[in-house]
Amino acid sequence: QVQLVQSGAEVMKPGASVKVSCQASGYTFTSYDINWVRQATGQGLEWMGWMNPNSGNTGYAQKFQGRVTMTRNTSISTAYMELSSLRSEDTAVYYCARAPAGGYSHFDDWGPGTLVTVSS
Amino acid sequence: DIQMTQSPSSLSASVGDRVTITCRASQGISNYLAWYQQKPGKVPKLLIYAASTLQSGVPPRFSGSGSGTDFTLTISSLQPEDVATYYCQKYDGAPLTFGGGTKVEIK
Repeated sequence: QVQLVQSGAEVMKPGASVKVSCQASGYTFTSYDINWVRQATGQGLEWMGWMNPNSGNTGYAQKFQGRVTMTRNTSISTAYMELSSLRSEDTAVYYCARAPAGGYSHFDDWGPGTLVTVSS
Repeated sequence: DIQMTQSPSSLSASVGDRVTITCRASQGISNYLAWYQQKPGKVPKLLIYAASTLQSGVPPRFSGSGSGTDFTLTISSLQPEDVATYYCQKYDGAPLTFGGGTKVEIK
């Protein structure tokens, strides 16, 4: 079955960078886009951007442009999301989510989430 | 950017009630709309995509309708396990914006 396994919780200092991984199994990694969504405690869902694992093409929400980088390693079916210049408002659970490739689409499977805490 | 507005933000209903949640887009998005369910402390789960297509494995008491700017998620007979926050999401183009969520509780 489809599984998206994310890296563990992180505690980061303001100004630092964090890199979250999302390892896929149970399907062909390059056939689905990976999106990243975050959720602050008690808040709603916020889309950060997408990556096509086949081409490496990416698209980022304007809010995160210049601070986020999405990459992949196809040999280990893993996607990465790196967020830099962290501030306290970036404290949230970060989810990877799979979407059918070939244009924007719904998210049919989600990872368990990675809690990133930004605190001095 | 297109804004997605859900209403109500919360509701309380009895088991067996019919529940309707509305999602309105600030511009037309055709049928590029999905609905997700997020139970407390859990990961969001896809319920409906393309405005009205039920995701495999989702109980048929859930249904979606609408096109353009106005969309509806209906639970035909509310069950205790439906306690959750429901989100709509547009995916006609970037940004893939979510609605603010509707929290559903049992009365």
